[in-house]
Amino acid sequence: DMKVTQMPRYLIKRMGENVLLECGQDMSHETMYWYRQDPGLGLQLIYISYDVDSNSEGDIPKGYRVSRKKREHFSLILDSAKTNQTSVYFCASSLGPSAETLYFGSGTRLTVL
Amino acid sequence: GEKVEQHESTLSVREGDSAVINCTYTDTASSYFPWYKQEAGKGLHFVIDIRSNVDRKQSQRLIVLLDKKAKRFSLHITATQPEDSAIYFCAAATGGNNKLTFGQGTVLSVIP
Repeated sequence: DMKVTQMPRYLIKRMGENVLLECGQDMSHETMYWYRQDPGLGLQLIYISYDVDSNSEGDIPKGYRVSRKKREHFSLILDSAKTNQTSVYFCASSLGPSAETLYFGSGTRLTVL
Repeated sequence: GEKVEQHESTLSVREGDSAVINCTYTDTASSYFPWYKQEAGKGLHFVIDIRSNVDRKQSQRLIVLLDKKAKRFSLHITATQPEDSAIYFCAAATGGNNKLTFGQGTVLSVIP
């Protein structure tokens, strides 16, 4: 079953706390992504990972970092979360790095108070 | 960088009619244009794409048109059904990479 799984689905944190969002895929996809979705802005790419320990900044990487130690797992870390990081975060994966279909998880709704 | 504008933020059509969603892009190097659908509370899933070597592609009730001169592409959903109601996102990427730039999304409502 081809699936991208995100945990948790909902998360509430206080400003200044650390946040860990986790993503897993069971398709042995090389490339994984983190996006955030905000009303009226569509999806914005935070980071892209081409394989284990091969990560690249997307369009809005400031305030975020990522970790990919196994091909099937990709984590998004917010060190000292800010209120403007309240958003819905989506993880996605694709077979390879170019012009391929993305498979998305169901998202994590993060609220930073 | 690339900018993708999605012209209709909301669209309502009657069941059985056609729906058209229009997008424009800025980077002439863009060559890959996928469309994604998002149902309430869920992630996006791929519906159809078009590459710059063709100007029309059809998959069942979905048709994508690409006008490279105008830097415009559009999704046509024919014979709409209530289950077509969702948010639709267009996106663009240059050849050789998968850094998609998404439009803002169109909320499509199909009225029975």
